[in-house]
Amino acid sequence: RKEVEQDPGPFNVPEGATVAFNCTYSNSASQSFFWYRQDCRKEPKLLMSVYSSGNEDGRFTAQLNRASQYISLLIRDSKLSDSATYLCVVNLGSGNTGKLIFGQGTTLQVKP
Amino acid sequence: DTGVSQNPRHKITKRGQNVTFRCDPISEHNRLYWYRQTLGQGPEFLTYFQNEAQLEKSRLLSDRFSAERPKGSFSTLEIQRTEQGDSAMYLCASSLFSGEETQYFGPGTRLLVL
Repeated sequence: RKEVEQDPGPFNVPEGATVAFNCTYSNSASQSFFWYRQDCRKEPKLLMSVYSSGNEDGRFTAQLNRASQYISLLIRDSKLSDSATYLCVVNLGSGNTGKLIFGQGTTLQVKP
Repeated sequence: DTGVSQNPRHKITKRGQNVTFRCDPISEHNRLYWYRQTLGQGPEFLTYFQNEAQLEKSRLLSDRFSAERPKGSFSTLEIQRTEQGDSAMYLCASSLFSGEETQYFGPGTRLLVL
């Protein structure tokens, strides 16, 4: 079983749509959670951290359910510029190792 | 540009040759990470340094791979006797370890082994 699992998609949605991505992780000791965005042939860039209380940044909302070991990302009012691969990322904790465990990524294509 | 830089950006080599990549982290960052990404997959952790100390290595890092960060600033990743399976994007990231930690990635070095 992969440590972080995502539906690879692709998700093809029209502009203005709301789209949700899900992710599960296997290590219950995981302490930090993130969504990274990666454009084609570019490096990953941090989109947002994910907290148990849920957090929102503009059109983006991230949720964490520790009991279910489940992370989600909701994108409202999709823009063409949101087209990218979204990587679900887990860290066991900065007190131990800083290494990030990445999911396979979910590809989003927003169409006009 | 004060972000993470990597050189070269692209490298084509023949099987069996040695290659070396360089990463220059953000200047005040004390942690430096190497990851490898193949097509259609997320990045996979290879190794990381805190200052000049190499604190962890993945089992993915075979004996042919070696990484150094001699003065706690830039780092090099060397692959000896390259194999076609080494073809990938090699990503470097740096962070300031101080509680909550955000890793910033460089543009990567894309390696093609023929």
